[in-house]
This record gives sequence, structure tokens and C-alpha cells, in this order.
Amino acid sequence: GQSLEQPSEVTAVEGAIVQINCTYQTSGFYGLSWYQQHDGGAPTFLSYNALDGLEETGRFSSFLSRSDSYGYLLLQELQMKDSASYFCAVHGSGNTGKLIFGQGTTLQVKP
Amino acid sequence: GAVVSQHPSWVICKSGTSVKIECRSLDFQATTMFWYRQFPKQSLMLMATSNEGSKATYEQGVEKDKFLINHASLTLSTLTVTSAHPEDSSFYICSAPNQNTEAFFGQGTRLTVV
Repeated sequence: GQSLEQPSEVTAVEGAIVQINCTYQTSGFYGLSWYQQHDGGAPTFLSYNALDGLEETGRFSSFLSRSDSYGYLLLQELQMKDSASYFCAVHGSGNTGKLIFGQGTTLQVKP
Repeated sequence: GAVVSQHPSWVICKSGTSVKIECRSLDFQATTMFWYRQFPKQSLMLMATSNEGSKATYEQGVEKDKFLINHASLTLSTLTVTSAHPEDSSFYICSAPNQNTEAFFGQGTRLTVV
């Protein structure tokens, strides 16, 4: 079976840094992605890690440890517009583009 | 980035009728597309993999006769919800991978069955 775990809710203030963790248990693994979804909208791609280490894209960074089946998304200099749901997603073996999503973390940024 | 267009963005239908949702890749070819369903405040659940020129692959628990998928060209996949019932009301969303590392999602279709 496949399962991904991430916290259901996180609250932080503007300008702060927040880390959203994701642990996974999958029968096959090719990489870990993160997506952002605002209410009523489509998910948008944030980052992708296939190898261990940190990937940085502007205010967002993502980390992967394959040996620990663990990754995290780091959001810096939080802005109100960052309030959204964040999903980690596992790419299964075979790299077909098929994604299995975690339950999502709702981030609320307060003034 | 690549663009995936999904239509309609919302639809209301009567119980027992069928609804077709289209997913188009506008500026790239997609031999594979994916269909997801999302209930409010929940995750995206993969329903099926749509394969151009061949049968779709359905996830466990998804009724293939109820959710008909057709992928007749390299830029179009359709999902038809047949004999819709209120419990089928949900947010349906398609995606197409680009180089298999990034998935591009359609805008989603909010289906309400009354």
C-alpha cells in the first residue's frame, strides 16, 4: 500500500518561516513533489526532489531524505497570499507522471 | 509553462443523467493524462490513468463503467460520469505530466448532481 502523512493544519504570522513535513510509505518511489492549492483552484507545482538534499526556488525550498522516507517544504518570508493547502505527492516507480497525494496541510498566515 | 484546459469549470445535472468533462493539453502532447477527484477539504484521489489510444487504467475501487474515460488524441482526454447520483458530486480535475516531473492541472470541474 501507499501512504503519506503530513500535518493537517499549520498557522504562522506574516514574515515568519514555516516547515511542512511529509513522511511516506510507498511500494515504489521515484521522487517527491509539492503542490499548492488555493480554495476552489487547481493545484500548482512548487517543487520536485528526486535525490536527497535541498532544492531552493525563491522563498520556497524542499528537502528530501530517501533513506528516511521523509521530506519537507520550507516557506520563508510568509505572505498572506501563502494561505492555502499544501500537498506532498509521491511519484511512483516507473516515472509515469502518476502522483499519489498526501492529505494536505492547510496553512493559515495571520497578520 | 505548459497549459492544460479543462471544461466545463462547473456543471449542475439531474440525477440519472451523464456528464462529460474534457481535458486538453494546449501546447504539448500528452500520451498520458490522469483524472482525480477531490471532496471538500480532502486530498486529490487518483481515479484513473488515461492512455492515448488504449484503455484507461483504473485505481482500485473506481467503477470503470461509471466513469468512462476516452483518450482519442494526444491532446484530449474525456471523463464521462454516467448515471450521475448526488454522491458523485465532487471536484474533478485532470492533469498531464510534462517530462514526468511536473504535473500540469486543468482548472477542475465542480460537479453538482441534484
